[in-house]
Amino acid sequence: AQTVTQSQPEMSVQEAETVTLSCTYDTSESDYYLFWYKQPPSRQMILVIRQEAYKQQNATENRFSVNFQKAAKSFSLKISDSQLGDAAMYFCAYRSAWAGGTSYGKLTFGQGTILTVHP
Amino acid sequence: KAGVTQTPRYLIKTRGQQVTLSCSPISGHRSVSWYQQTPGQGLQFLFEYFSETQRNKGNFPGRFSGRQFSNSRSEMNVSTLELGDSALYLCASSLRTGHVVSTGELFFGEGSRLTVL
Repeated sequence: AQTVTQSQPEMSVQEAETVTLSCTYDTSESDYYLFWYKQPPSRQMILVIRQEAYKQQNATENRFSVNFQKAAKSFSLKISDSQLGDAAMYFCAYRSAWAGGTSYGKLTFGQGTILTVHP
Repeated sequence: KAGVTQTPRYLIKTRGQQVTLSCSPISGHRSVSWYQQTPGQGLQFLFEYFSETQRNKGNFPGRFSGRQFSNSRSEMNVSTLELGDSALYLCASSLRTGHVVSTGELFFGEGSRLTVL
């Protein structure tokens, strides 16, 4: 079974500064997806960034980038130029990429990190 | 393109009752999965449906069940409600075409907040 661990229950950052959220995972699979989802107080979960395990290049989406270390099973999220609207709960999540497997449709989430952005 | 729609958004039930939650996926998405979110347990996978068949099930008692219709809409049902069933129930849809791997992304609805008294 896969597990995802976020060791930082809470993080804070000053507006315009950079913050990094940590995530580690455990799996025996070689092909999978990793995600960072954001859940603002309004509750809807929104995808922030996605990484395919077979791609060595780290994914980036505007101010959001990841540091994907496959051998170390580490997947951290860096938020640059933090904005007040970035304040939310952030979840790291894992999904198998093997469509024939019984766990294919399942997202395994970490415990979440609450990010506070100070003006 | 409309997003994932969940109804009702809020509901209050008493112990022993049953509840049915509904989820309409994004048009064209045939996979629907359900998650329970609580402060203590975090986000836990309930089940996934694809082509009207349950493909995966999480570690929940048989009181939790679901189904999917031919138009990909899904419902989940919880019978004999317990206080511990109070949670935010999230539905997510994704592209899944049998054994063809999609982009992997799940799109979530706003959730149904269930309170059991």
